[in-house]
Amino acid sequence: DVKVTQSSRYLVKRTGEKVFLECVQDMDHENMFWYRQDPGLGLRLIYFSYDVKMKEKGDIPEGYSVSREKKERFSLILESASTNQTSMYLCASMEFQETQYFGPGTRLLVL
Amino acid sequence: AQTVTQSQPEMSVQEAETVTLSCTYDTSESDYYLFWYKQPPSRQMILVIRQEAYKQQNATENRFSVNFQKAAKSFSLKISDSQLGDAAMYFCAYGSGGGADGLTFGKGTHLIIQP
Repeated sequence: DVKVTQSSRYLVKRTGEKVFLECVQDMDHENMFWYRQDPGLGLRLIYFSYDVKMKEKGDIPEGYSVSREKKERFSLILESASTNQTSMYLCASMEFQETQYFGPGTRLLVL
Repeated sequence: AQTVTQSQPEMSVQEAETVTLSCTYDTSESDYYLFWYKQPPSRQMILVIRQEAYKQQNATENRFSVNFQKAAKSFSLKISDSQLGDAAMYFCAYGSGGGADGLTFGKGTHLIIQP
C-alpha cells in the first residue's frame, strides 16, 4: 500500500512565523502535490513537483514556497504566516497517469 | 482553465438505498481522467473510483459505479446499498493527461446516511 505521511496533524503558529509542512511518500513516486482545503471551496492546488528540485506553481501559490531535495520528501513553506493561511493542508503523490494518494492532512491555525 | 461543479452541497439517503451524486466539468481537452474521492471525518482522502476519458465503458468498483457522459461533460457517482460507513464528503476531481499537473476538485457533496 502507498503511504503518504505528513509531519503534523495539527499545528498552531503565530502571524509572521516561518512554517514548514513536511510530506514523505514511500513509493518512489515522481509527482508530488500540495493542496489546501477550505470549507465550501474544495481542494485547491498550491504547488506541485515532477521530480527532485523541480517545482511548478499551482492555482494559489501566493504566500507559499516549496522544496524538494529528495524524491520522497516535499516540503511546503509559509515564509511569513498570515491568518488567511489558516486551513487544512493536504499532500499527495502519484506515479505518472496513475492515481493520486493523499496524506492525512495538517490542520494549521495561524493566530 | 478546467472547472468542476458539484451542484449538491448535501445529500441524504436511507441505509440500503441507492443515491446518485452529480458532477459536471468543463474542458476543451480530449485526454483526461476523472475521479471520485471520499473524505470521511478522519479527513483521509480515499479514492473511490476513476475513469479514463478514452474509455467508453463506465467504471465500477463493487457498490460504486459512475455514469460518464463525455459529450455532456457529466460524471455522476452511484452508490448502491448505502452503508453507514459511506457517510463522508465526496469530491469529484478532474486531471488532464493523468493528473501530473494536479487535480481540479469540485466543492464537494456531504453525504448523510440515515439508519
